[in-house]
Amino acid sequence: AAGVIQSPRHLIKEKRETATLKCYPIPRHDTVYWYQQGPGQDPQFLISFYEKMQSDKGSIPDRFSAQQFSDYHSELNMSSLELGDSALYFCASSLPGGTGELFFGEGSRLTVL
Amino acid sequence: AQSVTQLGSHVSVSEGALVLLRCNYSSSVPPYLFWYVQYPNQGLQLLLKYTTGATLVKGINGFEAEFKKSETSFHLTKPSAHMSDAAEYFCAVIFGYSSASKIIFGSGTRLSIRP
Repeated sequence: AAGVIQSPRHLIKEKRETATLKCYPIPRHDTVYWYQQGPGQDPQFLISFYEKMQSDKGSIPDRFSAQQFSDYHSELNMSSLELGDSALYFCASSLPGGTGELFFGEGSRLTVL
Repeated sequence: AQSVTQLGSHVSVSEGALVLLRCNYSSSVPPYLFWYVQYPNQGLQLLLKYTTGATLVKGINGFEAEFKKSETSFHLTKPSAHMSDAAEYFCAVIFGYSSASKIIFGSGTRLSIRP
């Protein structure tokens, strides 16, 4: 079965650079979520989109922005990167009208040097 | 305040022994409850969930969990641990039938299996 696809899987950037992460949800899933997981920490909700509109916002820094496109894929743009942004970034998708079950991608590991 | 607590950041059991990972929540409204497993460098995979109905929920890989409203708990168990069960386990909760954006994860419990 198709799963949530994230790219790139690994990314290394310097401080103050910009990074873009991509997420392709499971077909027919209309909602996408972004989570950030620091080393040894639980996933923290960043932002979500439903039908291409932002549906909820969590602890996403102002330096970050995201959007969902017409094909339902989503991109997380991170600017002015800081060392503390080094983390595993997960995308998840869910079914329309579902009971909250999230299907996670394998994550994109961002390392900021 | 609504919260979810996992007791024990690290649990170690012998292969073949009972696995018990504890999860408690604090809420004034009925929650949706989930257990996710995360293997190294991988995403979170749903083990099982409770929404409504039967309070004993069976999941994948032989795991099960029981929703106990009186104890506000949703502990994860497996009768006999296998080496492949070594991973990080997260309890997660959605409070009050709100959107999945409100899912709150516990701090995680790392399960180690001794040969």
